[in-house]
Amino acid sequence: EVQLVESGGGLVQPGGSLRLSCAASGFTFSSYSMNWVRQAPGKGLEWVSYISSSSSSTYYADSVKGRFTISRDNAENSLYLEMNSLRAEDTAVYYCARAWYQLLNALDVWGQGTTVTVAS
Amino acid sequence: DIQMTQSPSSLSASVGDRVTITCRASQSVSSYLHWYQQKPGKAPKLLIYTASSLQSGVPSRFSGSGSGTDFTLTISSLQPQDFATYYCQQSYSTPRTFGQGTKVEIK
Repeated sequence: EVQLVESGGGLVQPGGSLRLSCAASGFTFSSYSMNWVRQAPGKGLEWVSYISSSSSSTYYADSVKGRFTISRDNAENSLYLEMNSLRAEDTAVYYCARAWYQLLNALDVWGQGTTVTVAS
Repeated sequence: DIQMTQSPSSLSASVGDRVTITCRASQSVSSYLHWYQQKPGKAPKLLIYTASSLQSGVPSRFSGSGSGTDFTLTISSLQPQDFATYYCQQSYSTPRTFGQGTKVEIK
């Protein structure tokens, strides 16, 4: 079964750091680009970051640029999001999602999400 | 950045109704336009990719059309399990922006 499972969410103080992980299984992880998408409470979806299959390209939303770092370990079938200088507005459910180039990078597989709460 | 604008933001409809949701891009995204369905407390689910291709396993009552800047998601006969929020998203360029969502509610 194709699956993505996020972990690492939790409660963190403003200015703090957190590292999210996404474990992939059931497909050849190294063949796919990956994304992080978040959803603040009661709000819509916000794309956060992208990483290519080989890690050669990374992109970020302006709202997180310079504070968040996306990375991956193809040997471990894992995706990561390092989040620093966290703000209240980063509070959200964070989803990892697979993008398939054959679908013009539509996000065809999603994890269940992990919740990040930034509060004092 | 490419802005994606959906309309309406919400709608009320009855089972069996034909429902149409539109998505407009601030500049051309060619066919790099996708539709997702999200139910409360759940992850989004891909319905339509490249504007008009039905994702595997998605019922044929869902269809998509359009190219360039104007796109449409149609549900031909609304079913009880279709009450959800629908999002469009462009993958033509980064940031890969989503529309604000359209909530489909029971009338």
